[in-house]
Amino acid sequence: ETGVTQSPTHLIKTRGQQVTLRCSSQSGHNTVSWYQQALGQGPQFIFQYYREEENGRGNFPPRFSGLQFPNYSSELNVNALELDDSALYLCASSLGSDRTDTQYFGPGTRLTVL
Amino acid sequence: AQSVTQLDSHVSVSEGTPVLLRCNYSSSYSPSLFWYVQHPNKGLQLLLKYTSAATLVKGINGFEAEFKKSETSFHLTKPSAHMSDAAEYFCVVSGGSYIPTFGRGTSLIVHP
Repeated sequence: ETGVTQSPTHLIKTRGQQVTLRCSSQSGHNTVSWYQQALGQGPQFIFQYYREEENGRGNFPPRFSGLQFPNYSSELNVNALELDDSALYLCASSLGSDRTDTQYFGPGTRLTVL
Repeated sequence: AQSVTQLDSHVSVSEGTPVLLRCNYSSSYSPSLFWYVQHPNKGLQLLLKYTSAATLVKGINGFEAEFKKSETSFHLTKPSAHMSDAAEYFCVVSGGSYIPTFGRGTSLIVHP
């Protein structure tokens, strides 16, 4: 069974640029959630995708957007990058969209915005 | 609304001594509660999960947690710490229509 994978592992961008992060969910999982983890903080929920539709969103501006594909893999896009977007971005997959479902996390993408 | 508070940012123990990581929550519904562990440069791993079944939940690696509704707490314990337990631990509250909410984390330091 393949776990959750994310790419790239590290990324450096400059302010104002756009970035796309990718996530492959665990086999059999149809739900993907994205989190932002700033240094020294707990992860913050960005949004969740269930069967290609957004299914819940945290307190993040519209420049954070996502997609989920028919194979349940997902992308996180961030436009007009700001310095405060520097963080570890975590993807998690689960068997379903119920908020009580266990989430399985990938290793994350470390984004640095200069 | 919901929230979670991890009462200690750092906990330091000696190898072989008990571990207690404290978590209080606030919720307007019956929540599910989770503890995750994050080792350096690794993804979050589920330790255990409470979803309104038994109030004492046993997890992996000898960890357990007790759900106490009257105290709105879900503290994580382990009888004997190992060096490999040194990591960041997160308490999470979730359920209903609310998004998962993570605590700020507790760093567990284990001394030889």
